[in-house]
Amino acid sequence: EDQVTQSPEALRLQEGESSSLNCSYTVSGLRGLFWYRQDPGKGPEFLFTLYSAGEEKEKERLKATLTKKESFLHITAPKPEDSATYLCAASGSARQLTFGSGTQLTVLP
Amino acid sequence: NAGVTQTPKFQVLKTGQSMTLQCAQDMNHNSMYWYRQDPGMGLRLIYYSASEGTTDKGEVPNGYNVSRLNKREFSLRLESAAPSQTSVYFCASSEEAVVFAQGSPLHFGNGTRLTVT
Repeated sequence: EDQVTQSPEALRLQEGESSSLNCSYTVSGLRGLFWYRQDPGKGPEFLFTLYSAGEEKEKERLKATLTKKESFLHITAPKPEDSATYLCAASGSARQLTFGSGTQLTVLP
Repeated sequence: NAGVTQTPKFQVLKTGQSMTLQCAQDMNHNSMYWYRQDPGMGLRLIYYSASEGTTDKGEVPNGYNVSRLNKREFSLRLESAAPSQTSVYFCASSEEAVVFAQGSPLHFGNGTRLTVT
């Protein structure tokens, strides 16, 4: 059974304090690893897709990386507007998409 | 661009009542999905429609039915609501179905918050 585990569940940072969110996955035949951002009362918003170990993608202060067992979402010099819940999801050869339960990020001014 | 639109935004039902959640997308996507999101759990797939005219069960289909009305619209029906169906329901769409392709990203609506008392 495919599994996706995110840590930590919650993270509080000061503005400008860089950190990383972790997504561990157990998926046979990874077809794609997705990162989404979810604001309170809204639906998830797509950020990145990673397909193979070693791949990296960047968008503003966010950089997503992928290994054979984990993905990291690095946040450099975060701002209060980066506060949100970040979700990862993995798609494997079982042909389903498995979501983690998310990391709730709070960036304090 | 409206993207994915869900109605209603909020709903309160009594046990045993029925209702239909509506979803429409204007991105000309082929595939549409219904998920539920509960505290501390990941999004769980209820039903999906890989293309117009087809529907398939997801991880948690019991107590739900769906209709792919046309390429734009995908509705979710609760025939006899139960307190265990209290949740936030999200509709999503993608160019291709996760099942059949590499996995194009999902585009989500803003959800329907359903409470069953």
